[in-house]
Amino acid sequence: AQSVTQPDIHITVSEGASLELRCNYSYGATPYLFWYVQSPGQGLQLLLKYFSGDTLVQGIKGFEAEFKRSQSSFNLRKPSVHWSDAAEYFCAVGAPGTGGFKTIFGAGTRLFVKA
Amino acid sequence: GAGVSQSPSNKVTEKGKDVELRCDPISGHTALYWYRQSLGQGLEFLIYFQGNSAPDKSGLPSDRFSAERTGGSVSTLTIQRTQQEDSAVYLCASSLARTGTEAFFGQGTRLTVV
Repeated sequence: AQSVTQPDIHITVSEGASLELRCNYSYGATPYLFWYVQSPGQGLQLLLKYFSGDTLVQGIKGFEAEFKRSQSSFNLRKPSVHWSDAAEYFCAVGAPGTGGFKTIFGAGTRLFVKA
Repeated sequence: GAGVSQSPSNKVTEKGKDVELRCDPISGHTALYWYRQSLGQGLEFLIYFQGNSAPDKSGLPSDRFSAERTGGSVSTLTIQRTQQEDSAVYLCASSLARTGTEAFFGQGTRLTVV
């Protein structure tokens, strides 16, 4: 069965600094990988997704993620963080299984942005 | 509808009472998930419905929790004899369940057990 680990419960970065949020997955084949963001008081919104092809994926709001098969990772990055990026970020892995395609989420990483 | 709809948006109940939370998925979405998000915690998987297949109930924390999905559309999550530790935001998501499709989330129901 697939699983997702987000090692960092929370991260604090300064506004304008670069950001990297870690995500490791466990799955026997090439997974389908997602990053979602949950802003305060909001629902979860898809940032980006990876299925195949180019391992560097561009998403909304200036985010990107890189799939590294050798490390079973799908880390999320942003070159320059804005205060509005403060939110909780969830990595997810999806895979075909009994009954259809199922998505499993990591525990999330809360991002704090300081001025 | 245009998105996943959950009701009520907020629910305050007394300890020991039963509650029902409702989820209307996006029309045509065959997969439906329930998650729980406790204060400061991540997403805890509860249950997954896919078409006519038997639901994956592996995440339900106790036998006080149950869920149904009628007609392959609307789902109801029922919590019996609520406890204070059941206080959380309950999120519903739906997807097409075709390989690679993303899940779309509702705004959640905030449950407070007093």
